[in-house]
Amino acid sequence: GAVVSQHPSRVICKSGTSVKIECRSLDFQATTMFWYRQFPKKSLMLMATSNEGSKATYEQGVEKDKFLINHASLTLSTLTVTSAHPEDSSFYICSARPTRGISEAFFGQGTRLTVV
Amino acid sequence: QKEVEQNSGPLSVPEGAIASLNCTYSDRGSQSFFWYRQYSGKSPELIMSIYSNGDKEDGRFTAQLNKASQYVSLLIRDSQPSDSATYLCAVTGSSASKIIFGSGTRLSIRP
Repeated sequence: GAVVSQHPSRVICKSGTSVKIECRSLDFQATTMFWYRQFPKKSLMLMATSNEGSKATYEQGVEKDKFLINHASLTLSTLTVTSAHPEDSSFYICSARPTRGISEAFFGQGTRLTVV
Repeated sequence: QKEVEQNSGPLSVPEGAIASLNCTYSDRGSQSFFWYRQYSGKSPELIMSIYSNGDKEDGRFTAQLNKASQYVSLLIRDSQPSDSATYLCAVTGSSASKIIFGSGTRLSIRP
């Protein structure tokens, strides 16, 4: 149980285009999903907390207009990187917490974004 | 002061020995504590969770929590080369609304 699926696992896009990343909890409902980015050999950096049916809460320094988060259902959250630039190239990882009981978060497989 | 602190390592341990990973946290109201393992280029996977003071054992892994000292540790017995990875300590804040990660300790098990 507690499987989180993230898609795509790898994407290359041209500078100036937008990229959407999906995060799905497959066997549980997730009121809260988290989006992280990670640069090589660095720690996870929390970008935003996504709550189903409400606006995401962004961490300081993260541009909400650049990283659009939508959490339309209890099993799906999306992150859209708008007008991507090479400096947005990174490893993006989502995680989800079950609505009841367990307080751990389970991670998706991550998305390696390369902007050329 | 960082909210969750870990020694970045690398920590080198001979195969078969006990690896000891440590973590301190600043929020005294923290309620839940986790250890994740992350292989290079992969996303973290949950190894252990602990919620009350004392030890919790699961196979070769033992998590230890001391809330008075704001300290949590992970022991790995009979270390294997496959245990070589970065280990992330994570803590929920007193509001429990988000999970805060340490920067991770890189563990290397030498044959």
